[in-house]
Amino acid sequence: AQKITQTQPGMFVQEKEAVTLDCTYDTSDPSYGLFWYKQPSSGEMIFLIYQGSYDQQNATEGRYSLNFQKARKSANLVISASQLGDSAMYFCAMRAGGTSYGKLTFGQGTILTVHP
Amino acid sequence: DTGVSQDPRHKITKRGQNVTFRCDPISEHNRLYWYRQTLGQGPEFLTYFQNEAQLEKSRLLSDRFSAERPKGSFSTLEIQRTEQGDSAMYLCASSSHGEKLFFGSGTQLSVL
Repeated sequence: AQKITQTQPGMFVQEKEAVTLDCTYDTSDPSYGLFWYKQPSSGEMIFLIYQGSYDQQNATEGRYSLNFQKARKSANLVISASQLGDSAMYFCAMRAGGTSYGKLTFGQGTILTVHP
Repeated sequence: DTGVSQDPRHKITKRGQNVTFRCDPISEHNRLYWYRQTLGQGPEFLTYFQNEAQLEKSRLLSDRFSAERPKGSFSTLEIQRTEQGDSAMYLCASSSHGEKLFFGSGTQLSVL
């Protein structure tokens, strides 16, 4: 079975500073995908970034980067130059290798608050 | 492309009543998913459609739950004889063949 662990219930960051949100995962599949989603108070889940287990380089999408450490089974999200609009719940998720579609296992989330 | 649309946004019902939610995916997406999210938790996978075929159902989906996607476009999720434990946010998502899932804003169900 797959498991995602997010150990930070809440994080605070000053506007324009960088912040790292932690995520560790557990799977026995050699092939898997890792995702980060943002959920603002409106409820919609917004895709941020994706990392495949065989990708050689860490994924980046604008201000978001994924610090992928395969041996440690960690996939931390780094947000650079935080903005007030970044305040939201952030979820780490994994697609197991046994599926080719979007059956994701999510962590419990981290609430990020950006202070002005 | 108007995104994934879900209706209603909120539903309050009494225990024992039936409720039905609708999801309209992004038009060219052939894959559609339902997830359930309870307060303070991440979403949990419920079921998956490819076109009109329901290819996987989670064990979370009891016999009181049924989902359909009759023409491979919109989907409905029905809960019969609702229980208080059914109170949750029901999220719909769609995708094409890529990795990215596009989610709707969800239907918040409250069972009194």
